[in-house]
Amino acid sequence: QKEVEQNSGPLSVPEGAIASLNCTYSDRGSQSFFWYRQYSGKSPELIMFIYSNGDKEDGRFTAQLNKASQYVSLLIRDSQPSDSATYLCALPRDSSASKIIFGSGTRLSIRP
Amino acid sequence: GAGVSQSPSNKVTEKGKDVELRCDPISGHTALYWYRQSLGQGLEFLIYFQGNSAPDKSGLPSDRFSAERTGGSVSTLTIQRTQQEDSAVYLCASSKGVTSPLHFGNGTRLTVT
Repeated sequence: QKEVEQNSGPLSVPEGAIASLNCTYSDRGSQSFFWYRQYSGKSPELIMFIYSNGDKEDGRFTAQLNKASQYVSLLIRDSQPSDSATYLCALPRDSSASKIIFGSGTRLSIRP
Repeated sequence: GAGVSQSPSNKVTEKGKDVELRCDPISGHTALYWYRQSLGQGLEFLIYFQGNSAPDKSGLPSDRFSAERTGGSVSTLTIQRTQQEDSAVYLCASSKGVTSPLHFGNGTRLTVT
């Protein structure tokens, strides 16, 4: 099992709908979780981070963490064409807090 | 404040030449990473520096690749005897610590002809 797994997509969502992106991880000791957005030809940029079980909301974005099931999700409400990008999940490799590792990313496409 | 700075932004080199890529992290950030990203692909981890600890070099693809970080700040990634398959965007990122988010530079696009 890969340490961080994401569906590569592409995930196509109509404008105005909710986009749901998922990430599963293998290390139960992971404490920090990050979501990055990467536009084509650009560097990844941090959009959300979450440390505790439950939901964290920031504008149209909600991160959901379930440590028991070892998954973290990103919901994007009222999806806009500008949300079309690749979304990367990232977390420290193990509970000893060594380097941060990235999933392979999910490509999201918002169709007008 | 200033973000992560990488130079050059673009580098074209001939096969067999050596190249040096530079990364200037955010001041005070103790962790520094190098990643490689080929067109349409995900982030490939190369090397990780954390404070004064020995770097994690587990991602370096061959002994032609090396990196150093001087004084806990600026880092240089060196690729010797470049090959065409080395062509990619090389991204540097830094963070305050291992549980803190990474901040990326704009990358160096390397093209080996």
